[in-house]
Amino acid sequence: DAGITQSPRYKITETGRQVTLMCHQTWSHSYMFWYRQDLGHGLRLIYYSAAADITDKGEVPDGYVVSRSKTENFPLTLESATRSQTSVYFCASSPPPRGDTEAFFGQGTRLTVV
Amino acid sequence: GENVEQHPSTLSVQEGDSAVIKCTYSDSASNYFPWYKQELGKGPQLIIDIRSNVGEKKDQRIAVTLNKTAKHFSLHITETQPEDSAVYFCAARGSNYQLIWGAGTKLIIKP
Repeated sequence: DAGITQSPRYKITETGRQVTLMCHQTWSHSYMFWYRQDLGHGLRLIYYSAAADITDKGEVPDGYVVSRSKTENFPLTLESATRSQTSVYFCASSPPPRGDTEAFFGQGTRLTVV
Repeated sequence: GENVEQHPSTLSVQEGDSAVIKCTYSDSASNYFPWYKQELGKGPQLIIDIRSNVGEKKDQRIAVTLNKTAKHFSLHITETQPEDSAVYFCAARGSNYQLIWGAGTKLIIKP
C-alpha cells in the first residue's frame, strides 16, 4: 500500500531498555522527519533526514539515534529509554521543503516507558 | 529561538457557527504557513496553506489570512460541522526550511 507506515502502533517498555520505532514510506520522498507530540507542546522535531545517509538534529535530539541507509526507511532508536520519553511519536516524509511542500504523516506510535 | 504561538488552546463553537484560530510567528524570514488537522488516533493532515506573497486563501469553508507586518496568520472555518471537531496545528517555515509548530487548538463542535 502506498503511504507512510509506522510500527509498532503501541509500545510499552521499561526504563533503561533500548527500543526502535520503525517508519517506512513508499513515495521515495527525499526528506523524512521524526516528531514527538506532548500535550501543550505541539509537535517537536527530534531528527530529520534530507536523503539516505544524511541526518541532522532537530529541536529535541537528546537520547535518540536515527539512521537512514535506504530512502524509504527511517528508524528512530531510544538507546536507554527514560520516563520523559513517554510520548506519541510521528514520522513524516516530504519532497524537499522548498516551496509549497506538504508533509505526510504516519499514524503515530504511542510509547510508554515504565 | 524561533517560535509559533497559537490561540486558543481549546475552542468550543455551536454547529453552524464560525471558528477562528490565530497564530503568531517570530521569524520574519518565514515564507510558508500551513495548517494541519489531526483527528483522534491519526497523524496530522494538511488542510490549507499560504505563502508570504498572498494575503488570503480560501478553500470551500476554510480560509487562511496572513498579516506579514504583524507576523500573524489565522484559520477561519465557516458553517462548522461535527466532522470539523479535531486538533488544528499551525506552522511556519523558517529560514532553515524547517517547520516550527504551534501547540495546537482543540476544536469542539457542539450539536
